[in-house]
Amino acid sequence: AQSVTQLDSHVSVSEGTPVLLRCNYSSSYSPSLFWYVQHPNKGLQLLLKYTSAATLVKGINGFEAEFKKSETSFHLTKPSAHMSDAAEYFCVVDSGGYQKVTFGTGTKLQVIP
Amino acid sequence: KAGVTQTPRYLIKTRGQQVTLSCSPISGHRSVSWYQQTPGQGLQFLFEYFSETQRNKGNFPGRFSGRQFSNSRSEMNVSTLELGDSALYLCASSRGLAGGGNEQFFGPGTRLTVL
Repeated sequence: AQSVTQLDSHVSVSEGTPVLLRCNYSSSYSPSLFWYVQHPNKGLQLLLKYTSAATLVKGINGFEAEFKKSETSFHLTKPSAHMSDAAEYFCVVDSGGYQKVTFGTGTKLQVIP
Repeated sequence: KAGVTQTPRYLIKTRGQQVTLSCSPISGHRSVSWYQQTPGQGLQFLFEYFSETQRNKGNFPGRFSGRQFSNSRSEMNVSTLELGDSALYLCASSRGLAGGGNEQFFGPGTRLTVL
């Protein structure tokens, strides 16, 4: 069985300040983990993915995430928020095989000028 | 390389009607997954097709069905539409099975409104 929990439904930050979007997962296997971003009225775009290589994963647009097995977490961070980062972010767990990919409930990021 | 395309982009139907949505995956991708996205329920998995076979199915009633053709294009059908079926329907393609650590590439979605 697998599950994913995004701990905040909404996060608000000021432009130029750090971003932290939290994600915890549960999996009986060694999962792959993803972060996707969805801008208003658009489809989802992959930000980054973890597939059991380096635990610190760098993605597009300055985002990165760290896989912490002991904490079963995969939090998304960015040092300095930009207005264009305002969107909804989804954490995804994939335990492989024929199990379904599981999406988190999403975190809406608001960036205040 | 062309991305995932979905047609139509917008659709308005009335209760009781049926609807067919289409998805063309990225060339070379054999897996197509469908998702329903609503403000209340978030992103919910409908089903995944791989090489013309349904590989996985979410918890949706039998009114929701799909198929995949030999060129990997996929269609989903919703019969006897209900108001609650109003949603953004997203299609995603991947080279291998979605559950195999493969990145999914999403289309822009079809916005279905049921009146």
